Amino acid sequence: GESVGLHLPTLSVQEGDNSIINCAYSNSASDYFIWYKQESGKGPQFIIDIRSNMDKRQGQRVTVLLNKTVKHLSLQIAATQPGDSAVYFCAESLPRGSGTYKYIFGTGTRLKVLA
Amino acid sequence: DGGITQSPKYLFRKEGQNVTLSCEQNLNHDAMYWYRQDPGQGLRLIYYSQIVNDFQKGDIAEGYSVSREKKESFPLTVTSAQKNPTAFYLCASSTGAFEQYFGPGTRLTVT
Repeated sequence: GESVGLHLPTLSVQEGDNSIINCAYSNSASDYFIWYKQESGKGPQFIIDIRSNMDKRQGQRVTVLLNKTVKHLSLQIAATQPGDSAVYFCAESLPRGSGTYKYIFGTGTRLKVLA
Repeated sequence: DGGITQSPKYLFRKEGQNVTLSCEQNLNHDAMYWYRQDPGQGLRLIYYSQIVNDFQKGDIAEGYSVSREKKESFPLTVTSAQKNPTAFYLCASSTGAFEQYFGPGTRLTVT
């Protein structure tokens, strides 16, 4: 498999428990945030997003919280399942004018689900 | 099925050879991107293109080249000038400020 997640922080959770993955972003001008899931050897998949005018957004089993005061994002996964095992990383979208955007990606956290 | 395809999945080359990685999308997205992913690091932007026949250098463009002759296609050439080319390469596309859709990636190994 890929060695992308080799040196990443790891979160181990028991199957059925809730998981919380955190991310600090870098730029207060970023106005859109995304969480991605990346399984070994695959490209990142979109999980959930949130705009800067919101502080919480819920999806199916996932919730993203945004704290702009401390530039912090978190991803909460309810009732974690073995299929949730992957590397998770956040991304921020920073407007750079003329309708273009720069995406800045976090390094990621490896989630391990224990049976 | 709409999406982004990258080929090949695995690529092996000898040092000193140029190699081209393919990226095709049928999502009708204007913007396309190439990233490099190394262990323990976030994705790093190599090149991006907002529109056909136009592209811009990203943060680590040295040793790479791209073209954007068609909206659907954004091939990346890894040249012999790239000092450390072994990596996992990801292509993405997007529309406006929304999420980027990623391809499955190409693992390039240069020996």
